[in-house]
Amino acid sequence: EPEVTQTPSHQVTQMGQEVILHCVPISNHLYFYWYRQILGQKVEFLVSFYNNEISEKSEIFDDQFSVERPDGSNFTLKIRSTKLEDSAMYFCASRVLFTGELFFGEGSRLTVL
Amino acid sequence: ILNVEQSPQSLHVQEGDSTNFTCSFPSSNFYALHWYRWETAKSPEALFVMTLNGDEKKKGRISATLNTKEGYSYLYIKGSQPEDSATYLCALPTSGSARQLTFGSGTQLTVLP
Repeated sequence: EPEVTQTPSHQVTQMGQEVILHCVPISNHLYFYWYRQILGQKVEFLVSFYNNEISEKSEIFDDQFSVERPDGSNFTLKIRSTKLEDSAMYFCASRVLFTGELFFGEGSRLTVL
Repeated sequence: ILNVEQSPQSLHVQEGDSTNFTCSFPSSNFYALHWYRWETAKSPEALFVMTLNGDEKKKGRISATLNTKEGYSYLYIKGSQPEDSATYLCALPTSGSARQLTFGSGTQLTVLP
């Protein structure tokens, strides 16, 4: 069964460092998302991506964040200069139709020290 | 801001018990409601996407109902098994072109053998 894959599963970084989280969405899906969950809080939306551009982003997704789909398969989230409060589980998700269910990856846990 | 509330926050039941929990949401501007099951160390997995008032969906021992007029959905598990232990997330699309989801805080179910 097709699945969304994310790497790394866990990354530890120093505050101020750049981090790139990688995702390979399901191949025939058209809509791509990043969500995150800070420990003990709700899963929250970061950004959606469709037709090779950002379609929506939340107030969390500031200038420190960027997304790319460089080669038609990978979908990356970059945090330029990490802060302590960026520590969270980051989930990539994709779907065929924008009304359908989301297919999530297993998440990348980011720990910023 | 869309407010999605889930209750209870956590629940412990004995194997074989039936259980249910609630997702509450604003009844105005309803579009759809998603239920996801999130087992520890795995990716959240879609259970149901519900759109019609009065809708009832079933997958094995799990079923869900939807009341869009009063703004709630119930998730039922009949004859709970230890493998049902997970966090059950409810989510609704917010406005926008890519239908980002707003999640509730989840109900953490533990089924004791």
